[in-house]
Amino acid sequence: ETGVTQSPTHLIKTRGQQVTLRCSSQSGHNTVSWYQQALGQGPQFIFQYYREEENGRGNFPPRFSGLQFPNYSSELNVNALELDDSALYLCASSLQYGELFFGEGSRLTVL
Amino acid sequence: GENVEQHPSTLSVQEGDSAVIKCTYSDSASNYFPWYKQELGKRPQLIIDIRSNVGEKKDQRIAVTLNKTAKHFSLHITETQPEDSAVYFCAASIGETSGSRLTFGEGTQLTVNP
Repeated sequence: ETGVTQSPTHLIKTRGQQVTLRCSSQSGHNTVSWYQQALGQGPQFIFQYYREEENGRGNFPPRFSGLQFPNYSSELNVNALELDDSALYLCASSLQYGELFFGEGSRLTVL
Repeated sequence: GENVEQHPSTLSVQEGDSAVIKCTYSDSASNYFPWYKQELGKRPQLIIDIRSNVGEKKDQRIAVTLNKTAKHFSLHITETQPEDSAVYFCAASIGETSGSRLTFGEGTQLTVNP
């Protein structure tokens, strides 16, 4: 086990709704990265947070946003959900320049 | 940005045979290349990684080779076992360590037949 926990594990939303996904990082890790993994594809980098600040962003629209809290846990928020947002959302924690430890993911289905 | 291509997309081998998965990358500035194993419904797990100052790295039955001139790297699994069956992803990042953003390949479904 990596110590990275994500919630919820599964959820179903409808188009246009908003969703918040949560991640608790491994003890001692100060960096959280979020990835989107569509079915049958590799994970795609969404963004990374280091010490509560966004520290790099992938090719995702502004309706994907995030937060990191003082305890280094993190949230991923997605507004105006689209069908193509259906995917496994993976959170990974690390030290700023360390190995990534992934959580089990939150599987989002948008109907 | 970086682009990583991975081949083959599926690979089926007999138990005990070797398996080779190949990846190419586009950005010559990339200098960290990890490999992840993802079992069905599970998280990706790092199995081996290599940095640009090394040409080859081995860990028991798993080895990775890197050719920076050709911009490709490969995963080699020897003496395959049924429990090696999973999806394998290569990745690349620009930066000194894995804390940098990773660009993943599309994955290879490896099936090891008993």
